[in-house]
Amino acid sequence: EMQLDESGGGLVKPGESLTISCAASGFTFTIAWLSWVRQAPGKGLEWVGRVRSKSHGGTPDYAAPVRDRFTISRDDSKNTVYLHLNSLKTEDTAVYFCTAEGYGYGYHAVDIWGRGTMVTVSS
Amino acid sequence: QSALTQPASVSGSPGQSITISCTGTSSDVGGYEYVSWYQQHPGRAPKLIIYEVSNRPSGASNRFSGSKSGNTASLTISGLQAEDEANYYCSSYRSNSALVFGGGTKVTLV
Repeated sequence: EMQLDESGGGLVKPGESLTISCAASGFTFTIAWLSWVRQAPGKGLEWVGRVRSKSHGGTPDYAAPVRDRFTISRDDSKNTVYLHLNSLKTEDTAVYFCTAEGYGYGYHAVDIWGRGTMVTVSS
Repeated sequence: QSALTQPASVSGSPGQSITISCTGTSSDVGGYEYVSWYQQHPGRAPKLIIYEVSNRPSGASNRFSGSKSGNTASLTISGLQAEDEANYYCSSYRSNSALVFGGGTKVTLV
């Protein structure tokens, strides 16, 4: 079974940093493009960013609201992708889903989803 | 970056068909065949139900169908059932390499 398991969410204060992790299993991690999608309480889905597979350069893309504050990295030896959240704001409060984009079903379709981890930014 | 535009809610009776629209621009929906649709039940992760405008992944009900005309994509749910009550989101690839989602549509059976 293809699976993504997030960990590391929690409560932090505005301006602080946090790193959340996502461990993958059941599929070929090295060829996957990994994306993060977040959902604020009671709100819709928002794409945060992605990291391409190494064979496609391993480069990241980010959504404008997080571009200068968040960083996505991957460790193919551990089948793990990370989201480093810096200079956190209250509006970053959300469930953060780890996902695979375009793995099995076409380009840019988010076809594997983790259960999500909650990040709360509050003083 | 603006989200794609979806109606906030759509309702229908059991057995009916409903259609949810997703309007973007020529830089996203209109410019690429990379429109997807997701179903999300409360407290659950979203599930892919349509990819590349009109294709269904394995396991998705054949009552879901997708289409696109110009800058607007559509999801049709035929033979509405109780289990279809959920939130539905569209997404599209955008020319700046981003992925953009719609604001979501709540489907209710009446």
